[in-house]
Amino acid sequence: QKEVEQDPGPLSVPEGAIVSLNCTYSNSAFQYFMWYRQYSRKGPELLMYTYSSGNKEDGRFTAQVDKSSKYISLFIRDSQPSDSATYLCAMRGNYQLIWGAGTKLIIKP
Amino acid sequence: DAGVIQSPRHEVTEMGQEVTLRCKPISGHDYLFWYRQTMMRGLELLIYFNNNVPIDDSGMPEDRFSAKMPNASFSTLKIQPSEPRDSAVYFCASSREGGNIQYFGAGTRLSVL
Repeated sequence: QKEVEQDPGPLSVPEGAIVSLNCTYSNSAFQYFMWYRQYSRKGPELLMYTYSSGNKEDGRFTAQVDKSSKYISLFIRDSQPSDSATYLCAMRGNYQLIWGAGTKLIIKP
Repeated sequence: DAGVIQSPRHEVTEMGQEVTLRCKPISGHDYLFWYRQTMMRGLELLIYFNNNVPIDDSGMPEDRFSAKMPNASFSTLKIQPSEPRDSAVYFCASSREGGNIQYFGAGTRLSVL
């Protein structure tokens, strides 16, 4: 079993929909939780960064961490075609980042 | 800031040839990471440096791979000899504070024929 599980998709939704992306993990030592966005033929870029449990909101994006369930989510409101990308979760305890496989998201106009 | 700069962007080579990938991290960043990304295996950490010193190379697949960081502004990843299964996108990333917030280059797309 991988330390971080993420459905690779693709996930296809119509423009304007609310998108929910998720990761589960097994290591209770993880304290830092990140979401990176990767456009085609580009490197990943940090989208959201959360420490420990709780919610964090940035514009149309909300990151949620539930440490008791070992489950993290990224919500995108009012999704736009420009949100079409691969979204990778990443998390860290004491050492290097552990990455999810990435979920490919397609927003249809 | 120019960001992390990688070269070349694309590399096509024949099996058995030596390949050298280059990376210039963001100035002031003291961590540098080399990753490989494939459809099958996703993003894999190969090696990372702190203050030019290799800290963890456990992700380097085999002895054919080597990485160096001779100074704070330059790193190389070398594959010798290259094999078709090395075909992937190789990313370099740098960070200032231990690795949570990593800034990635545009990647080098390597094809070994």
